[in-house]
Amino acid sequence: NAGVMQNPRHLVRRRGQEARLRCSPMKGHSHVYWYRQLPEEGLKFMVYLQKENIIDESGMPKERFSAEFPKEGPSILRIQQVVRGDSAAYFCASSPEKDLGVYGYTFGSGTRLTVV
Amino acid sequence: AQSVTQLGSHVSVSEGALVLLRCNYSSSVPPYLFWYVQYPNQGLQLLLKYTSAATLVKGINGFEAEFKKSETSFHLTKPSAHMSDAAEYFCAVTSYNTDKLIFGTGTRLQVFP
Repeated sequence: NAGVMQNPRHLVRRRGQEARLRCSPMKGHSHVYWYRQLPEEGLKFMVYLQKENIIDESGMPKERFSAEFPKEGPSILRIQQVVRGDSAAYFCASSPEKDLGVYGYTFGSGTRLTVV
Repeated sequence: AQSVTQLGSHVSVSEGALVLLRCNYSSSVPPYLFWYVQYPNQGLQLLLKYTSAATLVKGINGFEAEFKKSETSFHLTKPSAHMSDAAEYFCAVTSYNTDKLIFGTGTRLQVFP
């Protein structure tokens, strides 16, 4: 029973390139959450998705960032025209239902993005 | 709005000593509270959670936390530190009517021999 799978583990991009981060939730989980961890900071919520729907994107930067969770395949966090400030660890979490008090999250190991 | 404050970004203890990591929360509705541990270059692992049942919650690796509503606190303790406990610890809050966890800024625990 695989956990939340994120790939790649490490990603290096030059300024101006695009970064694509993938997240496959745990089997049976239909709720996916993306968080960003800047150096020396806690995790900040970015976006919450269910299959084919964005439920809450209140933490997403207004420009260059987008997320999707298609009917088939992993959730994708896409960052266009990356800048140095996008360098961070990006974590995906999944849950079987919305009630976090009951189910909580299961986190992936993260993708560490470095923009050079 | 909900928030979490973790007092002390770094805590150092000797092996065998008591571990106390502080967490205070703010929430206008009954909170759910979590402690997560993060080892270097890894994801977050759930240590324990409080969801309005028993106020003293026992977690993995010998950790426990007590929910104190009057103090709006959820401090994490372990009676005797091990070297393997060295990691970063995050407190987080959510509630029944929201879809996200709000994290504190973390406390890095160092354990000295």
